[in-house]
Amino acid sequence: TQLLEQSPQFLSIQEGENLTVYCNSSSVFSSLQWYRQEPGEGPVLLVTVVTGGEVKKLKRLTFQFGDARKDSSLHITAAQPGDTGLYLCAGLLGGQNFVFGPGTRLSVLP
Amino acid sequence: NAGVTQTPKFQVLKTGQSMTLQCAQDMNHNSMYWYRQDPGMGLRLIYYSASEGTTDKGEVPNGYNVSRLNKREFSLRLESAAPSQTSVYFCASSERVILAKNIQYFGAGTRLSVL
Repeated sequence: TQLLEQSPQFLSIQEGENLTVYCNSSSVFSSLQWYRQEPGEGPVLLVTVVTGGEVKKLKRLTFQFGDARKDSSLHITAAQPGDTGLYLCAGLLGGQNFVFGPGTRLSVLP
Repeated sequence: NAGVTQTPKFQVLKTGQSMTLQCAQDMNHNSMYWYRQDPGMGLRLIYYSASEGTTDKGEVPNGYNVSRLNKREFSLRLESAAPSQTSVYFCASSERVILAKNIQYFGAGTRLSVL
């Protein structure tokens, strides 16, 4: 059983489209992170959110932390082929380390 | 900067063979981690070392051992490899000063196949 669920598992869209991916848990996060991983590479941190309701923007990427700190979303505006990759959320669930979700694999077609 | 360096990048083992995965970081980080990544499972923590001289089990430690050789190096050993250990292994490091904002820096991974 996964502590963190991510949806959708796979997403293929055309360049210029908008998309949202989700990260959910039945538990409350102390903190939540989003990473992007490209083929053959390790994950790279995009953002950390720590406050319920928090919204952070990184260029065309908007990250939202749910008010109850049990869920998060990542919205990409006008997706580009360079956005292609595996998007991982990782949550701190009161333990010593972050727990990772299974990821959403995004493909942006030119 | 090299960041986190893992060796080897690829390895094929036969069941029962042993091997050590090497990891080194040049960022003077206190903490280091070993994860495995399997399709549909995300990253799962095998072992971590919060600081030099300490190691602790993560979510999936069975079949593995680790050594924090010094502040820079953290190795992962498979004593008797099994097909279930076929995976991509990632090493990471972090400062771990404020846990909620802990930023992990990952290596490029070791792709291991056990036949």
